[in-house]
Amino acid sequence: GENVEQHPSTLSVQEGDSAVIKCTYSDSASNYFPWYKQELGKGPQLIIDIRSNVGEKKDQRIAVTLNKTAKHFSLHITETQPEDSAVYFCAARLGSTLGRLYFGRGTQLTVWP
Amino acid sequence: NAGVTQTPKFQVLKTGQSMTLQCAQDMNHNSMYWYRQDPGMGLRLIYYSASEGTTDKGEVPNGYNVSRLNKREFSLRLESAAPSQTSVYFCASSGLLAGGKDEQFFGPGTRLTVL
Repeated sequence: GENVEQHPSTLSVQEGDSAVIKCTYSDSASNYFPWYKQELGKGPQLIIDIRSNVGEKKDQRIAVTLNKTAKHFSLHITETQPEDSAVYFCAARLGSTLGRLYFGRGTQLTVWP
Repeated sequence: NAGVTQTPKFQVLKTGQSMTLQCAQDMNHNSMYWYRQDPGMGLRLIYYSASEGTTDKGEVPNGYNVSRLNKREFSLRLESAAPSQTSVYFCASSGLLAGGKDEQFFGPGTRLTVL
């Protein structure tokens, strides 16, 4: 299977600063990399994803970059706000396994006002 | 659309008791999943069902059984609960969306405590 490692496990930033969360994966056959946000007491929700034929994707204040050679991908949040505080999970999916995701262990992001 | 619904929201069991966690989705998705979430461990796949009538083991299937009752419903059963099964359980579903996107949607979770 796939092995996804995520760093850091906790991240504290001041409101307005940027936050970066990094993930590595082990299987070069992985071709889909979603990021999920989980607010307290709720289920994870997809916030952005990237496929292996793309190097970067942006959606307003969030962006994801993918380096296939190094097998790592990152989530970038700019101009952070207190409502960005949550647990963020990266995941990877092998090309041959439709739907099945392998998750990182999560990053607790806290944005201080 | 309710999306993915799970029942119950909370449950306390004694060691050795059995129970079934229910999950239903109204998005006409083919694939459904059961995960458990433990502190510092992320989301670990217990079982999944790629389509109605099929089920497969994930990373941590021991102590669990599943039933894909129909396309909408996917239940998780603990036959003899153990304290190590204390966790938050999430059900998810996925299916091909317009444009070929395949997004996994999660339910609100069931918090299970085994004493």
